[in-house]
Amino acid sequence: GAGVSQSPRYKVAKRGQDVALRCDPISGHVSLFWYQQALGQGPEFLTYFQNEAQLDKSGLPSDRFFAERPEGSVSTLKIQRTQQEDSAVYLCASSSYNQRTSNYGYTFGSGTRLTVV
Amino acid sequence: GDSVTQMEGPVTLSEEAFLTINCTYTATGYPSLFWYVQYPGEGLQLLLKATKADDKGSNKGFEATYRKETTSFHLEKGSVQVSDSAVYFCALRGSGGYQKVTFGTGTKLQVIP
Repeated sequence: GAGVSQSPRYKVAKRGQDVALRCDPISGHVSLFWYQQALGQGPEFLTYFQNEAQLDKSGLPSDRFFAERPEGSVSTLKIQRTQQEDSAVYLCASSSYNQRTSNYGYTFGSGTRLTVV
Repeated sequence: GDSVTQMEGPVTLSEEAFLTINCTYTATGYPSLFWYVQYPGEGLQLLLKATKADDKGSNKGFEATYRKETTSFHLEKGSVQVSDSAVYFCALRGSGGYQKVTFGTGTKLQVIP
C-alpha cells in the first residue's frame, strides 16, 4: 500500500490479557520501528528492525513486550499480561533510503490506541 | 544520548497572531530535525524538516531554521488560524544508517477566533 497500515485502530483489553498489534510497512522498506505514545507525551522508541533482524530492543519497557518481523515485512508487537500503564498509542514507522534525494524517507502509521481496563 | 526540549504548553493565541514554539536539541554528529503535528484524533504528520545546518524547512506557512550554533529549531508562523490548533512535536533523527527518531514532549496550540 501507499502508507504504513496498523491494525486494529483501537483495542480494549482487560488487565492480564495478551494483545497483538500489527504493522504493515510500506512495501520495500527495510527499516521498521515501534514507538509508544502515552497520553500527553511524545512518542518514545521501543524497538527497531532491519529486515527480519531486531537490531535494537532497548526501549521495550519490560519482558512482557515482544516484537517480531519474521519475513522482513509485516511486524507484530505483542504485549503479555497487559497492565494499566500499558495504555497508550502504539505507533509503527517504516523507512528506506531514497537515492534520488539522498535522504531516508520515514513514514508513521496512524497507530493503535490500546486501553487496558 | 539524543534529546529534544521544547517549550511547554498549552499555548493559546488569537487568530492571526504570531506563533513561536521553541525547540532545542542535544545530539552527536549532524542530525536531521523535524516538526510533526498531531491534529485532534489523528495520527502524526510530518510538518517540515531540515537536514543540515542553516536549512530552512517550510510548509503551510510554518517555518523553522536549523541553527547548529544554538542547537535550535524553533517553529514560527506569521498568522495562525483556528485550523492550526493541534499538538506540535519537535524531533530529531540521528545521522548514519540507524534512524531512530527522538521526540520532544509536544506543545499544544489552541487558536481562538
